[in-house]
Amino acid sequence: SSELTQDPAVSVALGQTVRITCQGDSLRTYYANWYQQKPGQAPVLVIYGKNNRPSGIPDRFSGSSSGDTASLTITGAQAEDEADYYCNSRDSSANHVVFGGGTKLTVL
Amino acid sequence: QITLKESGPTLVKPTQTLTLTCTFSGFSLSTSGVGVGWIRQPPGKALEWLAVINWNDDKRYRPSLKSRLTITKDASKNQVVLTMTNMDPVDTATYYCAHRVVSGWSYYFDYWGQGTLVTVSS
Repeated sequence: SSELTQDPAVSVALGQTVRITCQGDSLRTYYANWYQQKPGQAPVLVIYGKNNRPSGIPDRFSGSSSGDTASLTITGAQAEDEADYYCNSRDSSANHVVFGGGTKLTVL
Repeated sequence: QITLKESGPTLVKPTQTLTLTCTFSGFSLSTSGVGVGWIRQPPGKALEWLAVINWNDDKRYRPSLKSRLTITKDASKNQVVLTMTNMDPVDTATYYCAHRVVSGWSYYFDYWGQGTLVTVSS
């Protein structure tokens, strides 16, 4: 199956905007989805599809895509946004699921 | 309200077979389009998709683990079972089950169980 590549770590100053990226061939066909995971907790879906937020997810989270790269943008990062973020999609063959390696977001 | 909960042993010995059960509520695995997946996470490492089973009993497996995995469902009991044979210490991980949605070009897990930590050690 294809792979999704994420930067291992990203930092952002409190209140500033940060973009977390995810790259992979499957993203040319399928949308990326984004999950937030805090220590000791299960992942939480924050963005799915083209740019949809599940109920309860703040509107400072948004998603976008161009070519083989998808992005999760947090506009006005808050301290509680410090977490690991994972992208996922179907793989290019549409038979399997792939996750990215995760990005650790630090809010300074 | 959709909920999922994983259950199974917390400790297995190398070469043994692991059997995990996902018990869910709030949806039916008999409904078209519905699926349940298993994802694991070794300590300090990334999420790793393992398998998914769909409402029509279609099953997909992680290619590298396909020979060791079996996923089944009992829709009447609202349960999905994952078995993994020949367990090894590298299989030590938190195992999650999750509700899977397919919508157009989207394929995502919108509800997750709390996860269960499985340690492989003699």
